[in-house]
Amino acid sequence: EDKVVQSPLSLVVHEGDTVTLNCSYEVTNFRSLLWYKQEKKAPTFLFMLTSSGIEKKSGRLSSILDKKELFSILNITATQTGDSAVYLCALGDSGTYKYIFGTGTRLKVLA
Amino acid sequence: NAGVTQTPKFQVLKTGQSMTLQCAQDMNHEYMSWYRQDPGMGLRLIHYSVGAGITDQGEVPNGYNVSRSTTEDFPLRLLSAAPSQTSVYFCASSYLGRAETQYFGPGTRLLVL
Repeated sequence: EDKVVQSPLSLVVHEGDTVTLNCSYEVTNFRSLLWYKQEKKAPTFLFMLTSSGIEKKSGRLSSILDKKELFSILNITATQTGDSAVYLCALGDSGTYKYIFGTGTRLKVLA
Repeated sequence: NAGVTQTPKFQVLKTGQSMTLQCAQDMNHEYMSWYRQDPGMGLRLIHYSVGAGITDQGEVPNGYNVSRSTTEDFPLRLLSAAPSQTSVYFCASSYLGRAETQYFGPGTRLLVL
């Protein structure tokens, strides 16, 4: 059964800290790995890493995909209180338009 | 441009009642999907559609029906609500070529007593 596991489940840091969120998967064939940020309501898209892509960067956020070890990480540097959210990882199945989400990592950034 | 809209925002049902959760998008997206989100479970795909007249099952389709008669609308029907269907429901849409960049609606919180 395809599976996406995120760790840690929750994390509390102080402003200015750097955090690393993990997403490991047991999916045989996938088209892309996605990261979303979910604050109070709907998830918003952050990154897409394709099966042929390795790293993405956007400001203080960056993400890598390690296809050999079957994981991805999301790095946030110089964290701010506005980064407090649940971060979701998802895999897009290569043969269909189905997506498998992990349970998410809840990040709280203290001022 | 309203994006993805969902109604109602909150609903309370009694076991056995039926209802339809509405989802609409005005971005001319071919792909639409429904997820449920439960504490500690992440988002789970219920049904999805790649265009009008085409629907398919996701990970947890039992107890739910969908139809896609227009590009804009993708309603989710609960025929006989059960307490296990208490959850937050999200609708999402995207262009088919970039299905990954899904735009999510604000969600519907459903409580089944």
